[in-house]
Amino acid sequence: KQEVTQIPAALSVPEGENLVLNCSFTDSAIYNLQWFRQDPGKGLTSLLLIQSSQREQTSGRLNASLDKSSGRSTLYIAASQPGDSATYLCAINAGGTSYGKLTFGQGTILTVHP
Amino acid sequence: ETGVTQSPTHLIKTRGQQVTLRCSSQSGHNTVSWYQQALGQGPQFIFQYYREEENGRGNFPPRFSGLQFPNYSSELNVNALELDDSALYLCASSLGRGPGYEQYFGPGTRLTVT
Repeated sequence: KQEVTQIPAALSVPEGENLVLNCSFTDSAIYNLQWFRQDPGKGLTSLLLIQSSQREQTSGRLNASLDKSSGRSTLYIAASQPGDSATYLCAINAGGTSYGKLTFGQGTILTVHP
Repeated sequence: ETGVTQSPTHLIKTRGQQVTLRCSSQSGHNTVSWYQQALGQGPQFIFQYYREEENGRGNFPPRFSGLQFPNYSSELNVNALELDDSALYLCASSLGRGPGYEQYFGPGTRLTVT
């Protein structure tokens, strides 16, 4: 059974800092991994999707890496801004018979203060 | 293009009652997945519907049931509500049921059971 863990559970940083969010998973047989952002009480916004054959994806100030062999992914946020404050979730799609089922971590709550 | 929409936004029910939540998928999407997100947790997969058929189910009891209609909109029904059913219910739609199809999430329905 795939288990996804995110560390840290919460993070508070001053504006302008570069930061790293971590996601680990127990089963390396994944199809893809996705990072989402969730604002309080809202739905999920997809940030980056990494296929199992890829090592990283970049979008603006965001960079996500994937190391399947070690069961880890990191989300790097450069030059953080108060508007980045949200919960960040990583999710695994195992593919195969699980089809579109996403298995989520519990999230990292990020606060960026001015 | 209209995104994924869900109704209602908020709902308060009493233990033992029944509830129906609705989801309209994004235009052209034939697959809908439902997730339950308890406070402070990551979303948990409930089930997925593809072309009006259930395509996979998570670890939820039979009192959680669903439907998908010919226009690919979907309903989630929960019978005999329990206090632990209080959560944010998210639906996501995709162009297909395979793991290669990205899921797009709606804003969610907040259910409170008293």
